[in-house]
Amino acid sequence: GESVGLHLPTLSVQEGDNSIINCAYSNSASDYFIWYKQESGKGPQFIIDIRSNMDKRQGQRVTVLLNKTVKHLSLQIAATQPGDSAVYFCAENIWGGKLIFGQGTELSVKP
Amino acid sequence: EAGVVQSPRYKIIEKKQPVAFWCNPISGHNTLYWYLQNLGQGPELLIRYENEEAVDDSQLPKDRFSAERLKGVDSTLKIQPAELGDSAVYLCASSSGLQQETQYFGPGTRLLVL
Repeated sequence: GESVGLHLPTLSVQEGDNSIINCAYSNSASDYFIWYKQESGKGPQFIIDIRSNMDKRQGQRVTVLLNKTVKHLSLQIAATQPGDSAVYFCAENIWGGKLIFGQGTELSVKP
Repeated sequence: EAGVVQSPRYKIIEKKQPVAFWCNPISGHNTLYWYLQNLGQGPELLIRYENEEAVDDSQLPKDRFSAERLKGVDSTLKIQPAELGDSAVYLCASSSGLQQETQYFGPGTRLLVL
């Protein structure tokens, strides 16, 4: 079946460096994508979203890039901080509100 | 504004026992979702409600799982009887119901079946 997945299960970065978390999706008909952050013991927290008519969207210290040609999504975190340590999920919103999540990438920030 | 509220936060039961989870969505959100999250995995949709109507329950194991949202606000998810493999986190989310609207998640209920 179709699914959204992440390339790397873990990512370790030095505090202050930029982080890039990647995601591949397979449903070419989907036109809305979301990045969630999930800290230990908590539910997923919305970070940023992007629609398919865009290829880039910026938030506070975060940027999402969408490449529809290769069905690839990435989340860039600038000046990564210890508080950014968490598991990050990309999710694909299929028509009708059904959200399909990837397996997640665990980001670890070293002081 | 209060977020999605779930209770209990943790539950430990023996197999074959029943268990119930409760969720109160964000005020004004007419769409409510129940997800299952296994360790190290992304959440998987169990059921989606539009007001009091279950519009997508295709992934709900109906032999042992049931859910209700009688007044279109809070919701209950039940498992009876629970099995060892049901140990997971049960997440509730809500959205305002528009297409492609962001889903906001509660903290989840962590279930351990012994």
